[in-house]
Amino acid sequence: EPEVTQTPSHQVTQMGQEVILRCVPISNHLYFYWYRQILGQKVEFLVSFYNNEISEKSEIFDDQFSVERPDGSNFTLKIRSTKLEDSAMYFCASKGQASNQPQHFGDGTRLSIL
Amino acid sequence: GDSVTQMEGPVTLSEEAFLTINCTYTATGYPSLFWYVQYPGEGLQLLLKATKADDKGSNKGFEATYRKETTSFHLEKGSVQVSDSAVYFCALSGNTGGFKTIFGAGTRLFVKA
Repeated sequence: EPEVTQTPSHQVTQMGQEVILRCVPISNHLYFYWYRQILGQKVEFLVSFYNNEISEKSEIFDDQFSVERPDGSNFTLKIRSTKLEDSAMYFCASKGQASNQPQHFGDGTRLSIL
Repeated sequence: GDSVTQMEGPVTLSEEAFLTINCTYTATGYPSLFWYVQYPGEGLQLLLKATKADDKGSNKGFEATYRKETTSFHLEKGSVQVSDSAVYFCALSGNTGGFKTIFGAGTRLFVKA
């Protein structure tokens, strides 16, 4: 069964540094998402992306965050200047065209800011 | 806005006990409903789904029925196993716009042998 893959599985970064989290969605999916889960807390929506543009973003997704689909397969989340509170598990997800299809999630990238 | 409320955990059960995890939602329109499971150290796996009222989702012995009249989607399993120990998330996704998923807070289940 096709999977969403995320790299790296764990990223350790100094506060203030830029970080890029990478995702390869399922190949025929059209909707792409990033979520985050701070340790022990709920999974929170960050951003959705469709037709090469952001379709919705949450309050968390401020100017420090950006997403890109640089080619036909990758979907990236960039944090420009990381803060301690950005430490979390970040999940990428993708979804097919039909409205009632579920999102498929990757295994996540654990981001640790020192 | 749309939201999901699920029972707080942790829930601790003995093996072969009956499991219920309550979930209620608030949404405009007719969302799709999901249960996701997160095993220790792993990502989110779709456990089951229901896309319209009175649909029953089922997988691996787990079931949940989409109840529009009570806006609920309770998760049940007749006989839990130690391997079912995990965190269970109830979630909804609207049928318009970007179809973002909104998650409940999660319920941690411990099953003792």
